[in-house]
Amino acid sequence: AQTVTQSQPEMSVQEAETVTLSCTYDTSESDYYLFWYKQPPSRQMILVIRQEAYKQQNATENRFSVNFQKAAKSFSLKISDSQLGDAAMYFCAYRKVQGAQKLVFGQGTRLTINP
Amino acid sequence: KAGVTQTPRYLIKTRGQQVTLSCSPISGHRSVSWYQQTPGQGLQFLFEYFSETQRNKGNFPGRFSGRQFSNSRSEMNVSTLELGDSALYLCASSYSGDPNEQFFGPGTRLTVL
Repeated sequence: AQTVTQSQPEMSVQEAETVTLSCTYDTSESDYYLFWYKQPPSRQMILVIRQEAYKQQNATENRFSVNFQKAAKSFSLKISDSQLGDAAMYFCAYRKVQGAQKLVFGQGTRLTINP
Repeated sequence: KAGVTQTPRYLIKTRGQQVTLSCSPISGHRSVSWYQQTPGQGLQFLFEYFSETQRNKGNFPGRFSGRQFSNSRSEMNVSTLELGDSALYLCASSYSGDPNEQFFGPGTRLTVL
């Protein structure tokens, strides 16, 4: 079974600084998707960024980028120029490419932005 | 396009009762998945429906069931509620093609007393 681990329950960063959230996963599949979701206090889960395992290039979305290390099964999220609105729970998630849309989530990292 | 909607947003029930939650996916999305979120267990997959058929099921007891209608709207039902069923229930829909990210609804907060 696939598992996703986020080893940092909480992180904090100063506004405008850069922060990196860690995620590791375990799978025997060679092709899969990895995601970072953001859940603000409103509880609405929002997709931040996604990475296809077959792509070597790291995904980037504006201030958000990932460091995908397939051999190490590591998938970290870097947030640059942190803003107060980035404060939220961040979840790393895994999904197989084929078949059902089942997401396997990590336990989450609570990110606090200090003004 | 309207997002994923879930009703009701909040629900209070007592032990032993049953409850039905509803999810309306984004127009054109045929896959609907349900997740349970609790502080202790985190986010756990309940089941997924695609074209009115259950395509995958998580490790939950038979008290948890669901269905999907021809318009892709989905309902989940929990019978004989237990205190441990108190949770945020999230619904997500996705398009069957690519890209097929799951878009989440705002959730239904269920409290069992």
